[in-house]
Amino acid sequence: EVVLTQSPGTLSLSPGETATLFCKATHNISSSQFAWFQQKPGHTPRLLIHGASNRATGIPDRFRGSGSGTDFTLTISSLEPEDFAVYYCHQCAGSPWTFGQGTKVEV
Amino acid sequence: QVQLQESGPGLVKPSQTLSLSCLVSGGSISSGHYYWSWIRQSPGKGLEWIGRIYIRGSTEYNPSLESRVAISMDPAKNQFSLQLTSVTAADTAVYYCARAGAYLFYYIDVWGKGTTVTVSS
Repeated sequence: EVVLTQSPGTLSLSPGETATLFCKATHNISSSQFAWFQQKPGHTPRLLIHGASNRATGIPDRFRGSGSGTDFTLTISSLEPEDFAVYYCHQCAGSPWTFGQGTKVEV
Repeated sequence: QVQLQESGPGLVKPSQTLSLSCLVSGGSISSGHYYWSWIRQSPGKGLEWIGRIYIRGSTEYNPSLESRVAISMDPAKNQFSLQLTSVTAADTAVYYCARAGAYLFYYIDVWGKGTTVTVSS
């Protein structure tokens, strides 16, 4: 099983600052099968980044994904009020599919 | 645009079987381009992949649930279903159905809104 470990668990920032989120996998993952999701309380997860670095449709360019192999990063530049949420990394390269435990970006 | 909608009882008694369905609209569940998955989220917790089904009923499950879970599909109704047996309070969660690419892309691109299932007597 590919375990995804996200860090930090919580990120306390202010609007306008930059958030850097990390996701480390226990095994190499094909970038094409790695994604980031955003989830707000009471809402369904929303696809942000797929293929490790490709923004999903409608996602603003302040969201940037990077990385490969076992280390992946999500950078959110100039945080907007609506960006405060929980972010999950996800892999579907190996079975079972797994998610990281989440990073909460809070004000 | 493909949409997914979960349905099923919101309350299940301990030791009984949880049964949910996911109706797919705007696309065919019989397409060989997609996996159809179930994912759950316990209160205040993260996301847990339950399993997936592909055309011709090929399934794969999370080993942590494999002994209790079954996913099936009904092409005639364009829906797929989840059964989880011998439930306990630990199975209380929001259950999502989702679509993931299996051919041209490899990520979850469509989610249902989720349905809350509580296990309680």
